[in-house]
Order: sequence, then structure tokens, then C-alpha cells
Amino acid sequence: DQQVKQNSPSLSVQEGRISILNCDYTNSMFDYFLWYKKYPAEGPTFLISISSIKDKNEDGRFTVFLNKSAKHLSLHIVPSQPGDSAVYFCAAMGAGSARQLTFGSGTQLTVLP
Amino acid sequence: NAGVTQTPKFRILKIGQSMTLQCAQDMNHNYMYWYRQDPGMGLKLIYYSVGAGITDKGEVPNGYNVSRSTTEDFPLRLELAAPSQTSVYFCASSPLAEVGDTQYFGPGTRLTVL
Repeated sequence: DQQVKQNSPSLSVQEGRISILNCDYTNSMFDYFLWYKKYPAEGPTFLISISSIKDKNEDGRFTVFLNKSAKHLSLHIVPSQPGDSAVYFCAAMGAGSARQLTFGSGTQLTVLP
Repeated sequence: NAGVTQTPKFRILKIGQSMTLQCAQDMNHNYMYWYRQDPGMGLKLIYYSVGAGITDKGEVPNGYNVSRSTTEDFPLRLELAAPSQTSVYFCASSPLAEVGDTQYFGPGTRLTVL
């Protein structure tokens, strides 16, 4: 039972255009959502997060949108750059004491020069 | 500040062998986690710890054991390796000083069981 789903395994975008990565979740108890970026042979690195009490969070070229009623979040990257090519994981944080993360399966983003 | 370090980077085991994956962090974080990532899948939580001497099971704990004798170290033990444990293992830590504090990941250990 996947509680966090990323239905697009891959996405290709032209340099300078917008990249939109999507994520759906099923558990209403999640109260924080995060996006991680992962390069080959490295661990995931934190990119941006959003609390469930907000609907948008922006950090430079990266914006995360949260639609609680639809249980959907998206990551927008504008403008996309070749260095953004990586696997992007959506993760949701539970309300437990250790704030465990539940990850989606990831989306491989390729930004074409 | 090295962050989260993991050793070894790669390892090949035979079925039935045992090994310990090492994880250390120098950020004085109370919370530490072990994940595994199978090809095409997200990371799944194996075990976690909220402080020295305290550990608990995650989503996929079978076949693994952990201990946390110090704040810095959180080793993961495989007792009888099986092909199903072929995966990339990531250790992470977090201060959890605030509700949205993120987790910081190590570079991973790629384990193959033959």
C-alpha cells in the first residue's frame, strides 16, 4: 500500500523551460512534505519543504504547491537547468515522535541543453 | 564537519554471511535512521533511533538489527544475508529541533548478496 506516489518515473524538459513534478499521498495524518534530490552514487539531499498549513512555498527557482483537498503536491522548477537533472523524491512526514519519512518512488528529471 | 558518513561504500556477501554497515554523524543529532532503496523504488525505513540506547522498527525490519550506544554511531547488522537484502542502504540523521527539520543522508552502501 503506497502512501506516497509519484506516477511519472521520468520527465524530460528543455533547458530554460518549467519542470513540474507531481506527487500524490493517501494518508491524511501527514503534516509536512519534502522534496529531495538525488544524484547517482550519492545520498538524497533536501531541496524544499512545505507544512500542511500552507499551500505554497518558494525558494529561488523551486516552488512547491500543496493541495490538501486533492492530497496532491507538485514541485515547479523555473527555469530548468542541466544541473537539475537528477532523481527527485517526494516524501511525507508522519506525526510520530521520530517524524519518520515515507518516500515516493522518485521521478528522473532530465533537462536537455 | 563531515556530516553523515557510511562505510563501506560497496560490499558483496555470500548467502548466509553476516556484516555490519557503519554509520556515523558529527552533527550531534539525536535522531538517526536506516533506509534501503531497491531499484525503481523509494526509500523504505528499516530502523530508527530517537537517542542513545533507544531504537525502534520501521517498515521493513526483518533480517536486520541495530544498536545505538552513542549519539554519533548507528550500525546496522545483517545476520544471515539473503539475496532479498541486495539493495542500497542509506543512513540519515536529524536534529528534529523543529517540527519540519529535515533528515541529512549519508552517501549510501551498495550491498549485493549472491
